[in-house]
Amino acid sequence: SQQGEEDPQALSIQEGENATMNCSYKTSINNLQWYRQNSGRGLVHLILIRSNEREKHSGRLRVTLDTSKKSSSLLITASRAADTASYFCATDALGSKPSYNFNKFYFGSGTKLNVKP
Amino acid sequence: DTGVSQDPRHKITKRGQNVTFRCDPISEHNRLYWYRQTLGQGPEFLTYFQNEAQLEKSRLLSDRFSAERPKGSFSTLEIQRTEQGDSAMYLCASSRGALEGDTQYFGPGTRLTVL
Repeated sequence: SQQGEEDPQALSIQEGENATMNCSYKTSINNLQWYRQNSGRGLVHLILIRSNEREKHSGRLRVTLDTSKKSSSLLITASRAADTASYFCATDALGSKPSYNFNKFYFGSGTKLNVKP
Repeated sequence: DTGVSQDPRHKITKRGQNVTFRCDPISEHNRLYWYRQTLGQGPEFLTYFQNEAQLEKSRLLSDRFSAERPKGSFSTLEIQRTEQGDSAMYLCASSRGALEGDTQYFGPGTRLTVL
């Protein structure tokens, strides 16, 4: 089964409010990344946090990582209607042959965020 | 700076037909990935190329699926004898590797509908 699981599955807020989404995973990771996907479109990379980092900021985004709890959170401050999308966390795991040194990404089912104007 | 492109964006086919999708990665990226995404789910890993070598294949990739990256640039994903269960969004991604934490940049996807 996939490693990253987001919570909640759906979130509806008013424009201007903050939105918090959580991600839990099962095994050790090197990095955790958050992606956004607008309906029917490809995924857009938002932010990467490495396993030795605890918090990272990018514009209105704040990501935390707690490796002891195997969880991460994504906070979007001062949300806008344009933030309406599905948000996925992606955790990495080594491929079947570690010598290849590539990371297989596992995505959860995503959090569907609706920001009402 | 062009991103990852995929062609076609939509494909409708009848069960039993073969289909082929193309992915053009970001030019300096040597890693290329294919994922499949069904409605309401996150992407599921299918296969990975480093340059022209296909180094990893998911068990999701049955014998009816084949992927190539002949010159280490663009890639094709072919599905033979399509089934209704193959209906999904097929996403391609590319990356530069560990230097960027293997951040993968995704294309817009090809939506396949098998009737």
